[in-house]
Amino acid sequence: ELKVEQNPLFLSMQEGKNYTIYCNYSTTSDRLYWYRQDPGKSLESLFVLLSNGAVKQEGRLMASLDTKARLSTLHITAAVHDLSATYFCAVDIDLDTDKLIFGTGTRLQVFP
Amino acid sequence: EAGVAQSPRYKIIEKRQSVAFWCNPISGHATLYWYQQILGQGPKLLIQFQNNGVVDDSQLPKDRFSAERLKGVDSTLKIQPAKLEDSAVYLCASSLQGWSGNEQFFGPGTRLTVL
Repeated sequence: ELKVEQNPLFLSMQEGKNYTIYCNYSTTSDRLYWYRQDPGKSLESLFVLLSNGAVKQEGRLMASLDTKARLSTLHITAAVHDLSATYFCAVDIDLDTDKLIFGTGTRLQVFP
Repeated sequence: EAGVAQSPRYKIIEKRQSVAFWCNPISGHATLYWYQQILGQGPKLLIQFQNNGVVDDSQLPKDRFSAERLKGVDSTLKIQPAKLEDSAVYLCASSLQGWSGNEQFFGPGTRLTVL
């Protein structure tokens, strides 16, 4: 059975701190996406990782992909309250159709 | 550039009733996806269209769910009859092409409550 697991599921962190969210998947894939979802809102694309070793950075967020380990990380640097949201990774399991399997989600809360 | 449009935004129905959702993708996007997102979970793909043809509907409960994209642009998703477990947010997404790692852009979703 295909699995995309994120940990932690919940993360409460103080402003200014650093932390990493992990996304493990059980099938081979060279493509992985990270999305952000605010409460009651739709999904906003953050990063598209299309090869082994890919690293993307935007502001305080940095995502990387290790296809051999079947692992992606989303690193948060010096967290701010505005980053509070749920973060999903999604693995592309069919390169001919871009079929995505989403992870369980990590709910991040940043407090002062 | 206008994003993916969906309507209605909210719908409340009783079990065994029917409901339909509408989606208008980003102009020029050939691929359209319908996802179901149950509270506290990640989205799950229900059906994928490439232009007006179905690419993948393996997770669509075909005894009660149907979807169409007749002219390769707008799409409708229908549930008939609805069950309590269909309560979820139904998300529509589109991408330029359904391959080569094209990014999927999501609409605001329709929140369905089945009583």
